[in-house]
Amino acid sequence: GEDVEQSLFLSVREGDSSVINCTYTDSSSTYLYWYKQEPGAGLQLLTYIFSNMDMKQDQRLTVLLNKKDKHLSLRIADTQTGDSAIYFCAEIKAGYALNFGKGTSLLVTP
Amino acid sequence: EAQVTQNPRYLITVTGKKLTVTCSQNMNHEYMSWYRQDPGLGLRQIYYSMNVEVTDKGDVPEGYKVSRKEKRNFPLILESPSPNQTSLYFCASRTDSTYEQYFGPGTRLTVT
Repeated sequence: GEDVEQSLFLSVREGDSSVINCTYTDSSSTYLYWYKQEPGAGLQLLTYIFSNMDMKQDQRLTVLLNKKDKHLSLRIADTQTGDSAIYFCAEIKAGYALNFGKGTSLLVTP
Repeated sequence: EAQVTQNPRYLITVTGKKLTVTCSQNMNHEYMSWYRQDPGLGLRQIYYSMNVEVTDKGDVPEGYKVSRKEKRNFPLILESPSPNQTSLYFCASRTDSTYEQYFGPGTRLTVT
């Protein structure tokens, strides 16, 4: 199938904002998701956005959706060292499977 | 606590020795699925189940079987494991409204 695209790495300083970008494949996807995976751990659902929304804010997290360009972004405000992890975006496919990107490794340095 | 559990968390086995990875959820979700995660390939769906006794293939079903006899359980069966099935496996269950999928902690399988 087609690939959900994400950049592989992002490094930010503690206290700065992080922006992780994603390009998804299916313009008819109704929901788009962001997951976080810490080393040796499972996938934690961070947030999701419904396709009729442009933006969703949840505490330090802001999701922006540009349906025309099939572009999704996750902004983490005041990034902390505990935010270091791999972040996956995912779109929902027909049959309700999730089509994941390959993940962006976020490194937060003191 | 709402959760998806998997067992075992770690397993080392030999080629051809049948194994089962169990998955259980306590959220009364109808939809459950299995994924494998491999470096450079990301997460790929193996099988999914829309409800009891209803299962279907995902993107990479070869070499795997599943069953859904009860709503809460969705075991993954490898009848004759091979080294290319060495991977990190995740079970997930999903809400019926917003389709949020909740993942188990993962099972790291090594087939020698």
